[in-house]
Amino acid sequence: NAGVMQNPRHLVRRRGQEARLRCSPMKGHSHVYWYRQLPEEGLKFMVYLQKENIIDESGMPKERFSAEFPKEGPSILRIQQVVRGDSAAYFCASSPPVQEGDGEKLFFGSGTQLSVL
Amino acid sequence: GEDVEQSLFLSVREGDSSVINCTYTDSSSTYLYWYKQEPGAGLQLLTYIFSNMDMKQDQRLTVLLNKKDKHLSLRIADTQTGDSAIYFCAESLSGYSTLTFGKGTMLLVSP
Repeated sequence: NAGVMQNPRHLVRRRGQEARLRCSPMKGHSHVYWYRQLPEEGLKFMVYLQKENIIDESGMPKERFSAEFPKEGPSILRIQQVVRGDSAAYFCASSPPVQEGDGEKLFFGSGTQLSVL
Repeated sequence: GEDVEQSLFLSVREGDSSVINCTYTDSSSTYLYWYKQEPGAGLQLLTYIFSNMDMKQDQRLTVLLNKKDKHLSLRIADTQTGDSAIYFCAESLSGYSTLTFGKGTMLLVSP
């Protein structure tokens, strides 16, 4: 059972271009989360999705950022018109349905390092 | 509001015990987690504790929770060089609520 797969591992974009980050959750997981990690910072929540639904996007910047998790295919985090401040590591995580009395268990991918020139 | 604080750096010798500390502010936190991040990799869930527990032990790992002081610690017994990594403390309210992470503690284990 492969883990959470993210691609690409490294993405370089020039200011104003678009960045598309992909995430395939673990088999059997229907919940996907995107987190962003700035240098020397902890992970900051961005968005939580289930298949075809955005459940919580309270951590997403209001402009230029969007996320989807279609019925078929990976989850996509899309950043339009990137700026230097978008440079960060973007991590995707997935989780199985939470069992009663159990904690939320997130399984993380290896991340995509976005560098904006 | 939610805030999770950790010390930034810890250095120990191989074979010693390591204790990584974390404080949190949200008294509603239900679950508290420890994640490990090795260079260039994602986060690996090490262990978690439910807020009605004081202690949880899993092989070399011991988690202690002082709910009154909102203090969480991770003790690694017989620390090995392979334990060198960044350790993140995180909290969540329950169920599907999102995790709030600390900035991480870099553990360096020297031979």
